[in-house]
Amino acid sequence: EAGVTQSPTHLIKTRGQQATLRCSPISGHTSVYWYQQALGLGLQFLLWYDEGEERNRGNFPPRFSGRQFPNYSSELNVNALELEDSALYLCASPRGRGRTEAFFGQGTRLTVV
Amino acid sequence: AQKVTQAQTEISVVEKEDVTLDCVYETRDTTYYLFWYKQPPSGELVFLIRRNSFDEQNEISGRYSWNFQKSTSSFNFTITASQVVDSAVYFCALTGSGNTGKLIFGQGTTLQVKP
Repeated sequence: EAGVTQSPTHLIKTRGQQATLRCSPISGHTSVYWYQQALGLGLQFLLWYDEGEERNRGNFPPRFSGRQFPNYSSELNVNALELEDSALYLCASPRGRGRTEAFFGQGTRLTVV
Repeated sequence: AQKVTQAQTEISVVEKEDVTLDCVYETRDTTYYLFWYKQPPSGELVFLIRRNSFDEQNEISGRYSWNFQKSTSSFNFTITASQVVDSAVYFCALTGSGNTGKLIFGQGTTLQVKP
């Protein structure tokens, strides 16, 4: 069984551009979490998608958005990139809704220059 | 508010030593869930354990053991006979009774096991 896959592994963008990150959850899982791990800020919750709907979002500006597709894969879009958006973006696939264990992908390292 | 504190920023031990990683949490929920994750240099967070607030039994899995004490709001993680492959950043996390999908992570403890 394949784990959580994220693409690309690394992404370099210029300030002001847009970045698109992709995630495929474990087969059979319908939810996806997105987390940001920035240097010095730890792991911060970004978004939760379940069954195609956004269920919760963290304390991030609206230029962080995403969607979940009918096959449960997900995209995270970051518009108007700022230098402080440089971070490791991790996608997770929880076994069930809410409070179950979540399995993480290897992340996308976004660098904004 | 919910909070997880991992006071140990970095720990360095020599192979075969036992090491305990501390985790203290704060929550007003009576039902909550605690987790430990391992993050090796590759970046992926590896799930280690989930514990719910009603289950205070300690757990052992091979060289890993967890001590959950509600009275002190702690969920400590011990590695027995540490190995170089245990070198990683370890995160403790908490989620409450509300179905928010949100894990509150501690700042992480970097464990270095030297040969």
